[in-house]
Amino acid sequence: ILNVEQSPQSLHVQEGDSTNFTCSFPSSNFYALHWYRWETAKSPEALFVMTLNGDEKKKGRISATLNTKEGYSYLYIKGSQPEDSATYLCAFMYSGGGADGLTFGKGTHLIIQP
Amino acid sequence: DSGVTQTPKHLITATGQRVTLRCSPRSGDLSVYWYQQSLDQGLQFLIQYYNGEERAKGNILERFSAQQFPDLHSELNLSSLELGDSALYFCASSVFSGRGTEAFFGQGTRLTVV
Repeated sequence: ILNVEQSPQSLHVQEGDSTNFTCSFPSSNFYALHWYRWETAKSPEALFVMTLNGDEKKKGRISATLNTKEGYSYLYIKGSQPEDSATYLCAFMYSGGGADGLTFGKGTHLIIQP
Repeated sequence: DSGVTQTPKHLITATGQRVTLRCSPRSGDLSVYWYQQSLDQGLQFLIQYYNGEERAKGNILERFSAQQFPDLHSELNLSSLELGDSALYFCASSVFSGRGTEAFFGQGTRLTVV
């Protein structure tokens, strides 16, 4: 059973502040790490797909880093805005003849307070 | 709008019944994934189809089955329904089946078993 852990489970941040949260995953048989953003009543939307150790990806004020050797990824949001409020999911894909499906963490629920 | 269409959006049915959930992937996407999200659980991978063939299986119960048709739409069949099957069922699609491929999610079907 693959264990993908996200912390914290929820986070309240003041508008304008920067924040970050963590995704931990198995460091063996790494294949890919995905980040998704999930707004209430909508469908999860892909933010980043990361495949190489040391990858850093950026989209606007949101960025992510990847450390496959130690099994973690950070998601950073700079200058949080109310529209950043959502649940952020990470998902791990492993190599090794098993499922190609993504194993999701339970998410970090981010609330930006005006 | 991700381009992935799921029907119906909501479904209420009784225990012991059988239901079929439908997913139309994005145009051109060959791969379809099914996920289940129960209360307090992360997204659980159920099954993947690629170009009409089953590609990978996750935590799918024997009472559940799926198929992908020649036009690439997919159906998830849930039978002998139990109260615990109440969940949000997501379909996702991607162009290929592989590590760097982001998945596009539909808006989900909320199944309530009473």
